[in-house]
Amino acid sequence: ETGVTQTPRHLVMGMTNKKSLKCEQHLGHNAMYWYKQSAKKPLELMFVYSLEERVENNSVPSRFSPECPNSSHLFLHLHTLQPEDSALYLCASSQDDGGGFSNEQFFGPGTRLTVL
Amino acid sequence: GIQVEQSPPDLILQEGANSTLRCNFSDSVNNLQWFHQNPWGQLINLFYIPSGTKQNGRLSATTVATERYSLLYISSSQTTDSGVYFCAVYSGTYKYIFGTGTRLKVLA
Repeated sequence: ETGVTQTPRHLVMGMTNKKSLKCEQHLGHNAMYWYKQSAKKPLELMFVYSLEERVENNSVPSRFSPECPNSSHLFLHLHTLQPEDSALYLCASSQDDGGGFSNEQFFGPGTRLTVL
Repeated sequence: GIQVEQSPPDLILQEGANSTLRCNFSDSVNNLQWFHQNPWGQLINLFYIPSGTKQNGRLSATTVATERYSLLYISSSQTTDSGVYFCAVYSGTYKYIFGTGTRLKVLA
């Protein structure tokens, strides 16, 4: 595996379900990101982890819960979502210089989520 | 916060034509990236270009940081160039801000 991978690629869930999205990066980076892309909107940054610590939480509702067990893996746990949460969820990684400066970002293929 | 505007929002080209996409940003930035999002949603890195000019095949990009804009040139366009082109600026402290994109369609 190379680059950034995401599973599953497609997910349909009901509003009462609990599911998790997984992201894995094989680039040796130390920062990982979750983005949300709704139809006809720019990408919105949700969470940032640098050196496995959450450094950014962009006013995301608590029904989205991130987890970063190590620098290669990132999860997004989902529970009691709303239909408006249907979107493409993208994971990215980059190399952080330790002082908040991030170099080039690389993206995974995304998980297309539909909430019924 | 920093505002990122891209133009034009939509572009239709005949195969073989050239085009220029523009990205304006409202404040100084540490770096800038151009991406192509294919029809399946994958964001493909085109250029990492905080300043200066870079070329990669039929694509080239120029960023003039002091004037707060970047240009992406596509020459001899092909149908596989279709998709959405995003610029993203890095404003510091882990924040990449994406523009609204230019949707390109290349007709055979």
